[in-house]
Amino acid sequence: AQSVTQPDIHITVSEGASLELRCNYSYGATPYLFWYVQSPGQGLQLLLKYFSGDTLVQGIKGFEAEFKRSQSSFNLRKPSVHWSDAAEYFCAVGVQTGTASKLTFGTGTRLQVTL
Amino acid sequence: SQTIHQWPATLVQPVGSPLSLECTVEGTSNPNLYWYRQAAGRGLQLLFYSVGIGQISSEVPQNLSASRPQDRQFILSSKKLLLSDSGFYLCAWTRTVHEQFFGPGTRLTVL
Repeated sequence: AQSVTQPDIHITVSEGASLELRCNYSYGATPYLFWYVQSPGQGLQLLLKYFSGDTLVQGIKGFEAEFKRSQSSFNLRKPSVHWSDAAEYFCAVGVQTGTASKLTFGTGTRLQVTL
Repeated sequence: SQTIHQWPATLVQPVGSPLSLECTVEGTSNPNLYWYRQAAGRGLQLLFYSVGIGQISSEVPQNLSASRPQDRQFILSSKKLLLSDSGFYLCAWTRTVHEQFFGPGTRLTVL
């Protein structure tokens, strides 16, 4: 069965500093990978996705992620964090089951941004 | 464009009472629909998914049930709520492979 590990429960960075959130997955085939962001009390918003092709994918809000098959990783990065980026970030792997697709999520990383 | 609605936004219910949460999607047809639960400080747990009217797949045994009476309507129900049913419930939909779009969620507190 597939699984996702986000080893950092909580990260604090200063505004303007760079950010990297870690994600490791376990899946036997080529994975479909996602990063979602959740503000408090809100639903999840898709930041970016990897299906195939270029291993460096660009997303919304200046985020990017790099797929590294050899390390089973899909880390999220941002060169300069803004205070509005404070939120919880979830990595997910997608698998196809019959006519449905299912996502398995990591437990999330809460990002705090200090001014 | 497509939109997804959930209601109510918040709900406080006593233990043993029934539950009905509703999710509707606009602007698309024949979506796959999903119910997730997010407990405090934890990730998302897939509860149910549906690939069509009347077709429900359950991911975990629990006190809840789901129904899909119409193409773009997905309902989460319980006959008798437990304290452990408290959480944030999210509905999601997809038409393409894997990419899911989430609703605003319902905060359920069982007292």
